Amino acid sequence: GQQLNQSPQSMFIQEGEDVSMNCTSSSIFNTWLWYKQDPGEGPVLLIALYKAGELTSNGRLTAQFGITRKDSFLNISASIPSDVGIYFCAGPPGNAGGTSYGKLTFGQGTILTVHP
Amino acid sequence: DAGVIQSPRHEVTEMGQEVTLRCKPISGHDYLFWYRQTMMRGLELLIYFNNNVPIDDSGMPEDRFSAKMPNASFSTLKIQPSEPRDSAVYFCASSTTTRTDTQYFGPGTRLTVL
Repeated sequence: GQQLNQSPQSMFIQEGEDVSMNCTSSSIFNTWLWYKQDPGEGPVLLIALYKAGELTSNGRLTAQFGITRKDSFLNISASIPSDVGIYFCAGPPGNAGGTSYGKLTFGQGTILTVHP
Repeated sequence: DAGVIQSPRHEVTEMGQEVTLRCKPISGHDYLFWYRQTMMRGLELLIYFNNNVPIDDSGMPEDRFSAKMPNASFSTLKIQPSEPRDSAVYFCASSTTTRTDTQYFGPGTRLTVL
């Protein structure tokens, strides 16, 4: 099936540093979603991207939908301790149709640790 | 505005027992998804519904798993009989018809089968 490769798998940074993570696929995606999961909680949607080339911000978070539709990145500026968690990229593959409509593929996640 | 609600948040049961997980989607959302999350396999889609009708259950691991959606505001995922390998976090998510690709997750039910 479709796979999303997220990198890096984990990051250890100091408070105040900027963070960058990305997600790539061998197939095109029509939508890119970025979720954050805190321990013991469900994934929370951070940013949704619907158009190739789209650049969207949500506070200190910025994400872009790659022009090739096969990648996306998420940047976090001036990290703070509450940014700690697992960040997932997700999306429906570009050829999704029929009963595949609405099915999301998830990356393996990037574990972010922020040291005060 | 209430998000997706799941209950219970934690469930510990013994092998062979029946387990029922519950979900209330966001009001007005007509798609509902059940996922399972484990360290080994990450997030896996089990089944999803549109307007209370199951559309794709190809992710349901075995006949021991069943899901129902009797109305627009309630769904259950049942495991009978439960086994230790069913231990995982089970999430429910919902979305609208116009944006099925943008799904909102509940807090999850952490299931431990002893």
